[in-house]
Amino acid sequence: AQKITQTQPGMFVQEKEAVTLDCTYDTSDQSYGLFWYKQPSSGEMIFLIYQGSYDEQNATEGRYSLNFQKARKSANLVISASQLGDSAMYFCAMRAINTGFQKLVFGTGTRLLVSP
Amino acid sequence: KAGVTQTPRYLIKTRGQQVTLSCSPISGHRSVSWYQQTPGQGLQFLFEYFSETQRNKGNFPGRFSGRQFSNSRSEMNVSTLELGDSALYLCASSLARGTAQETQYFGPGTRLLVL
Repeated sequence: AQKITQTQPGMFVQEKEAVTLDCTYDTSDQSYGLFWYKQPSSGEMIFLIYQGSYDEQNATEGRYSLNFQKARKSANLVISASQLGDSAMYFCAMRAINTGFQKLVFGTGTRLLVSP
Repeated sequence: KAGVTQTPRYLIKTRGQQVTLSCSPISGHRSVSWYQQTPGQGLQFLFEYFSETQRNKGNFPGRFSGRQFSNSRSEMNVSTLELGDSALYLCASSLARGTAQETQYFGPGTRLLVL
């Protein structure tokens, strides 16, 4: 079974500062993928960044980077230079790769509020 | 390229009724998955369809069903609605080519309120 834990219900950051959103996971799968999604109040889930379990480099996508520590089973999202539009819910999710199935297991999410 | 579309966006039903939600995936995507999001249970996987076949199912009662058509469009149906079925229902599509990074792209969701 897979489990994602996000221990920060809410985070507060000032505009232009960096923020780290925590994610730890548990799985017996050897091959898995980790995803971060952003959900604004409109409800749509927006894909941000992906990290594969066998990727040696930490993933980066623009202002988003993933601090992947496999031994600690953590995949924290770092948002640099926060913007007001970054205020949203952020979800960490995992998928087992070997099955071929697309099922994502999500954490409970972190609400990020960016202030001017 | 158009994103995932879901219809209707909002729906109000009463207990005991049934409802059908529709999802059109991104062009070329073969897999469609459905998720239920509630404040209490969070995001939970309902089922996945690939090539018109359900190939994975979450832990939901048989009142929840779905199907996929030959053009990859998908519908999900909930019969005998209960108050607890009130939720945001999200549809996601992916290419499902069997590669490691199979990113799922989500639609805007359908907000269902059961009275």
